[in-house]
Amino acid sequence: LAKTTQPISMDSYEGQEVNITCSHNNIATNDYITWYQQFPSQGPRFIIQGYKTKVTNEVASLFIPADRKSSTLSLPRVSLSDTAVYYCLVVPGDTGRRALTFGSGTRLQVQP
Amino acid sequence: DVKVTQSSRYLVKRTGEKVFLECVQDMDHENMFWYRQDPGLGLRLIYFSYDVKMKEKGDIPEGYSVSREKKERFSLILESASTNQTSMYLCASKSGNNSPLHFGNGTRLTVT
Repeated sequence: LAKTTQPISMDSYEGQEVNITCSHNNIATNDYITWYQQFPSQGPRFIIQGYKTKVTNEVASLFIPADRKSSTLSLPRVSLSDTAVYYCLVVPGDTGRRALTFGSGTRLQVQP
Repeated sequence: DVKVTQSSRYLVKRTGEKVFLECVQDMDHENMFWYRQDPGLGLRLIYFSYDVKMKEKGDIPEGYSVSREKKERFSLILESASTNQTSMYLCASKSGNNSPLHFGNGTRLTVT
């Protein structure tokens, strides 16, 4: 599966929009892109997934360019409670019988 | 909502003990995964399973084994626990295709 690369850390302030980009150059035709949020001492929580263009839910938006070699998670108007580690993960769009390996994730620190 | 339940939140074991970490999911998912998470090393895949009685090695299987006798349950076994297996262990499950991972809340294992 496609290996992912993200910035190690980002800083922001409350009320700002935060964009976290993930690179997945070797993504296969049927693969999907998923994003997760993890707080300390908890398991990662699924946020959003997409295949192409733009997806939006109540928590975030996901932008995927036409070549699908990267994706950007957009968090509108972040608050202190958005401080967490964010992971992107490429998942197979077929039977799914493959190892799912995470990258390093992005540690987002939101300040007042 | 998908529920992935790990049997213990905290566990303390002695070196050389045989340790069982249990994980149960309630959504009839085919795929189940065991990860360990250590500071600075991110989420590392130990083993995964895509069907009952099937198992595949992940990136760091040494010192571990797994069992999947029923679809809803995936057990991680430390045959002879060692101090370097002190870690947070996370179980996850997913259905067959274009679907995200769902994680449990983790088991923090300490081997003394």
